[in-house]
Amino acid sequence: EAGVTQFPSHSVIEKGQTVTLRCDPISGHDNLYWYRRVMGKEIKFLLHFVKESKQDESGMPNNRFLAERTGGTYSTLKVQPAELEDSGVYFCASSHALGEQHFGDGTRLSIL
Amino acid sequence: KQEVTQIPAALSVPEGENLVLNCSFTDSAIYNLQWFRQDPGKGLTSLLLIQSSQREQTSGRLNASLDKSSGRSTLYIAASQPGDSATYLCAAYNTDKLIFGTGTRLQVFP
Repeated sequence: EAGVTQFPSHSVIEKGQTVTLRCDPISGHDNLYWYRRVMGKEIKFLLHFVKESKQDESGMPNNRFLAERTGGTYSTLKVQPAELEDSGVYFCASSHALGEQHFGDGTRLSIL
Repeated sequence: KQEVTQIPAALSVPEGENLVLNCSFTDSAIYNLQWFRQDPGKGLTSLLLIQSSQREQTSGRLNASLDKSSGRSTLYIAASQPGDSATYLCAAYNTDKLIFGTGTRLQVFP
């Protein structure tokens, strides 16, 4: 069984540009989560999808971040325009029902 | 608001020692608690998941306990090895989301 897959593994962009991160959950997992770790801080929740619906987006920092999960399969997280403080590692996780969450390897985002 | 704290922040021990990593949480009404391992530049590897009705879980040399009344979980590593060197994270399930601690960075030297 393939695990949670994230693309790209690393992205370096300039301030003001747009970046889109992608997450492919484990097949059959309706629940998909985004988290991020910024420098020196703990990993923090961003949002939770159940199929294609946003169940909880209380952790989204501001309206420069847009998450989608069209069709209830893979998800994208777009940052537009990127700011310096957005640098960090973005993790995706998926689960069956509200069970154990399985994490991907993360996308390391660097804003210059 | 759930807060998760891990002590110590860093630990360096010789190979063979038995270790205890501590995790405390402020809200005892947690759903589950999960321990992870993270190697430098890598993702999160799940080690043990303790459901709210359980008191402990074991996997190989690892044993995790959960005491909801005191707001604590411990991860016990028996006979530590250099390959155990990594950052260990605990996370409390708050309904749909995980609340993470800042981690314990473990180094086991030969």
